[in-house]
Amino acid sequence: DTAVSQTPKYLVTQMGNDKSIKCEQNLGHDTMYWYKQDSKKFLKIMFSYNNKELIINETVPNRFSPKSPDKAHLNLHINSLELGDSAVYFCASSQVRLATDTQYFGPGTRLTVL
Amino acid sequence: GQNIDQPTEMTATEGAIVQINCTYQTSGFNGLFWYQQHAGEAPTFLSYNVLDGLEEKGRFSSFLSRSKGYSYLLLKELQMKDSASYLCAVQTGANNLFFGTGTRLTVIP
Repeated sequence: DTAVSQTPKYLVTQMGNDKSIKCEQNLGHDTMYWYKQDSKKFLKIMFSYNNKELIINETVPNRFSPKSPDKAHLNLHINSLELGDSAVYFCASSQVRLATDTQYFGPGTRLTVL
Repeated sequence: GQNIDQPTEMTATEGAIVQINCTYQTSGFNGLFWYQQHAGEAPTFLSYNVLDGLEEKGRFSSFLSRSKGYSYLLLKELQMKDSASYLCAVQTGANNLFFGTGTRLTVIP
């Protein structure tokens, strides 16, 4: 059983297009995240949602809009794609408790903007 | 701001021991994580430290000194499959995890 899944795995598109990446987790976690990993392999948080509410919104262009229809899903929509958006996008989930809340990552979506 | 430093690359021999260091300066500290990431794959959880000291998990151990802002990941009896990137990450709040740039470890025969 897949814990955190993302679709699509690969996405190749032209500049200016709008695209979405979907994420689902079946771990029963209450918090989900989107990360961007650039060509230098630096993994940086973009958004965090807890029980469908936006908790963290790092300095991300407003062309990026996360949407959480329910606790198990966090989708990422990107408008007017730019060359610099090319990266691997990872979804993750965790259960926030008093102690450790280990994040579990999805397999990633490699986005290439031409 | 948040600052997490790790060496960019390391090479070690199969069967040997390697120590990957991580130093951090962050606003807030709720714990330190180590993740392993093989090329083209997702990061996977290795270890978590919140108190000073050593946490051992089989061939992998992780150490934390909060007063020094320092952690290390120790890998023993290295195997070829341990070739991967190792990411140090500091949790600064309930949902906030900041990653270092990762250390790419190459294990050679």
